Amino acid sequence: EAGVAQSPRYKIIEKRQSVAFWCNPISGHATLYWYQQILGQGPKLLIQFQNNGVVDDSQLPKDRFSAERLKGVDSTLKIQPAKLEDSAVYLCASSLGSPLYGYTFGSGTRLTVV
Amino acid sequence: GQQVMQIPQYQHVQEGEDFTTYCNSSTTLSNIQWYKQRPGGHPVFLIQLVKSGEVKKQKRLTFQFGEAKKNSSLHITATQTTDVGTYFCAGLKTGANNLFFGTGTRLTVIP
Repeated sequence: EAGVAQSPRYKIIEKRQSVAFWCNPISGHATLYWYQQILGQGPKLLIQFQNNGVVDDSQLPKDRFSAERLKGVDSTLKIQPAKLEDSAVYLCASSLGSPLYGYTFGSGTRLTVV
Repeated sequence: GQQVMQIPQYQHVQEGEDFTTYCNSSTTLSNIQWYKQRPGGHPVFLIQLVKSGEVKKQKRLTFQFGEAKKNSSLHITATQTTDVGTYFCAGLKTGANNLFFGTGTRLTVIP
């Protein structure tokens, strides 16, 4: 089966610019997650979707981050405007339903804000 | 808030030595999962533990869930260079919808 696809692989932007990341989960996986992983730390949840509805966005900095999964398949995560502290790897993961099935992660997008 | 701490943060071992990482949660977990992240890679699911006191083995890897379901361990016997990476535990709190990842243990294996 195809894995979780993410693009771009790398992105360098200046602070205050905007950026968008794209994720296509494994076919049939209802649940999609966006995680932020700062260098040397564990992944931190930003937002969780079940089909096209938001399940948990309690840790999403909503003043600058937004995400959508309009048709319940692929998803985009946007940052506007970016700050230096947003430099991290943005990981998309999907699972069949609940986390009990384990997550499959994409390769991630490494964002550098300068 | 929920915290999942792992110790040690870093571990260097000679190839062939054993390795253990410990995971401790501030809250009781309904299950715990372990992931491996190779340098420059993404986390890959290894295993899930659900029952109190559960022990599971995968070749040289042994995973254990504590009796109180607040801690877990991963033990690797006779490490190999292919074991290099960061090992994360990830806990699911009862009633929660998503995993909370630990701080990770970075393993280096010296040939």
